[in-house]
Amino acid sequence: DQQVKQNSPSLSVQEGRISILNCDYTNSMFDYFLWYKKYPAEGPTFLISISSIKDKNEDGRFTVFLNKSAKHLSLHIVPSQPGDSAVYFCAASDNSNYQLIWGAGTKLIIKP
Amino acid sequence: EAQVTQNPRYLITVTGKKLTVTCSQNMNHEYMSWYRQDPGLGLRQIYYSMNVEVTDKGDVPEGYKVSRKEKRNFPLILESPSPNQTSLYFCASGDGPPPLHFGNGTRLTVT
Repeated sequence: DQQVKQNSPSLSVQEGRISILNCDYTNSMFDYFLWYKKYPAEGPTFLISISSIKDKNEDGRFTVFLNKSAKHLSLHIVPSQPGDSAVYFCAASDNSNYQLIWGAGTKLIIKP
Repeated sequence: EAQVTQNPRYLITVTGKKLTVTCSQNMNHEYMSWYRQDPGLGLRQIYYSMNVEVTDKGDVPEGYKVSRKEKRNFPLILESPSPNQTSLYFCASGDGPPPLHFGNGTRLTVT
């Protein structure tokens, strides 16, 4: 049973528009969430994170929103740029262990 | 340049032939971990290490070994590889969990 789900395998967005990537989780013990970005033939790169005590965290063009009651988080990228085309992974952890549980990823394609 | 270096990038081997994938980081990180990525699944943790001589099992440790004799190195050992260990492997490091720095991956094929 997947504890972290990214239900959209891919997403296509026009350059300059907003990209919204979604992630759902089932384990209410998760208290820290991260987004990673991955280009082909490279390892994941940390993008942005959020603690469960917050509902929003911003870093430049990237904003992560957390809705604990819905067990849902989303990553907003605005404006979307061609270099944002990559696979985005959502991951979650709880402070009782050191494991990071990953979603399957969403491939974001930015169209010119 | 801060980096996590894995070698080799590609490896094709046969069932039962012992192999080691090396991982080295130059950031003096205490935490290191190994993941595997399979199609349709997210990364799954194999083993992790909080510091030198301290290692622990992750989600999928069966068939793997690790060692942490020095802070910078964290090799992944497959004593008797099997076809179900064909996968893309990533080493990662950080000041603590979760890791923020990943290597570029090792694609392993076991025939």
